[in-house]
Amino acid sequence: GNSVTQMEGPVTLSEEAFLTINCTYTATGYPSLFWYVQYPGEGLQLLLKATKADDKGSNKGFEATYRKETTSFHLEKGSVQVSDSAVYFCALSDLYSGYALNFGKGTSLLVTP
Amino acid sequence: DVKVTQSSRYLVKRTGEKVFLECVQDMDHENMFWYRQDPGLGLRLIYFSYDVKMKEKGDIPEGYSVSREKKERFSLILESASTNQTSMYLCASSLYGQPQHFGDGTRLSIL
Repeated sequence: GNSVTQMEGPVTLSEEAFLTINCTYTATGYPSLFWYVQYPGEGLQLLLKATKADDKGSNKGFEATYRKETTSFHLEKGSVQVSDSAVYFCALSDLYSGYALNFGKGTSLLVTP
Repeated sequence: DVKVTQSSRYLVKRTGEKVFLECVQDMDHENMFWYRQDPGLGLRLIYFSYDVKMKEKGDIPEGYSVSREKKERFSLILESASTNQTSMYLCASSLYGQPQHFGDGTRLSIL
């Protein structure tokens, strides 16, 4: 079956530091890949997505590239801000799962001034 | 903008009660989903529905049922609430094959 593994947190960075959150996946089909973000007390928001190999998703300075050869979708940002403090979830979906999402366990990010 | 509305942000119930969690979306989405979120476990799929009166079990359906009588509304039912069902419940909707939009969640405590 499908599964997603992402790095354990919490991750603590200083403002303007470089961020990488690793995500790898296992899927039987050809999944779409997503990063969702959850700010304190809120639901999940779609951050970015990629639907096929070598696609790059980007939004708000965050980027992730769909790497089929390494089954990875690592999230990166060149310079984090305090407002980026949140929990980040990597997820996949495909036709065989009825497009339900399989989530990683989430990575908590704290950015300090 | 898509709006997914969950009826309660916080809910406290007693063991053995029948509990209803309601979710409404305003964008005519075919697909609707219920997840629960627990620390260290991430989000896990309980049930989903791809059409009115249709439902599919997710990874952890035991102790839950769902109802979808109208396209915009998807209800999660705890038949006889137990303390291990204390959790954050998140509803989502989407067009078929498109990204899901989430509500703000219901934090349910079973005493």
